[in-house]
Amino acid sequence: QSVLTQPPSASGTPGQRVTISCSGSRSNIGGNTVSWYQQLPGTAPKLLIYSNNQRPSGVPDRFSGSKSGTSASLAISGLQSEDEADYYCATWDDSLVGCVFGGGTKLTVL
Amino acid sequence: QVQLVQSGAEVKKPGASVTVSCKASGYTFTGYYMHWVRQAPGQGLEWMGRINCNTGVTNYAQKFQGRVTMTRDTSTSTAYMEMSRLRSDDTAVYYCARVAEYSTNAFNIWGQGTMVTVSS
Repeated sequence: QSVLTQPPSASGTPGQRVTISCSGSRSNIGGNTVSWYQQLPGTAPKLLIYSNNQRPSGVPDRFSGSKSGTSASLAISGLQSEDEADYYCATWDDSLVGCVFGGGTKLTVL
Repeated sequence: QVQLVQSGAEVKKPGASVTVSCKASGYTFTGYYMHWVRQAPGQGLEWMGRINCNTGVTNYAQKFQGRVTMTRDTSTSTAYMEMSRLRSDDTAVYYCARVAEYSTNAFNIWGQGTMVTVSS
């Protein structure tokens, strides 16, 4: 059972916009910034979003993040076949004194 | 370029110990924490703990306290994660990860992962 709650799956067709939610509490998302990771099969996670809504250099602007209260979300617009991957949210938890991840969302491009 | 290179795959018997190494290059090793994250087959990411590569101070996830020891060697810019009393459910890919220069709450540099298999 992950501290952060994500839907296990999401799907969309090419060109569509998809959002993935991440729900937490005051001790984690409510008081800290959220990051998002993309993981392709057999590879290490890749940072997509940091500080709730910032993109590292090289990440397409099709990816965007937002946070409100104790929840965050990742949006992917103009969905492409190569976006098919697992997506994880993460943040620091002040009560646990450690980093916490969501359970991950498997995105399927139909 | 900045990179983390981990040691190779390991196969261990239940009850044994394993040490995974993570050699850093391309940046000032002592300027960052090194975190360890694991991923069991078909499962999600799980944070294990971190080490301050300057002071050696560690923070472990409660689940791993008493069974995991993180150390570092500043002379070789290498971090280590040792897990003892291995169980079958410790079978996983173990990653080291460094936080970004622009955010202490985001990992932008990851090792390639080390598969640890625990089997009798």
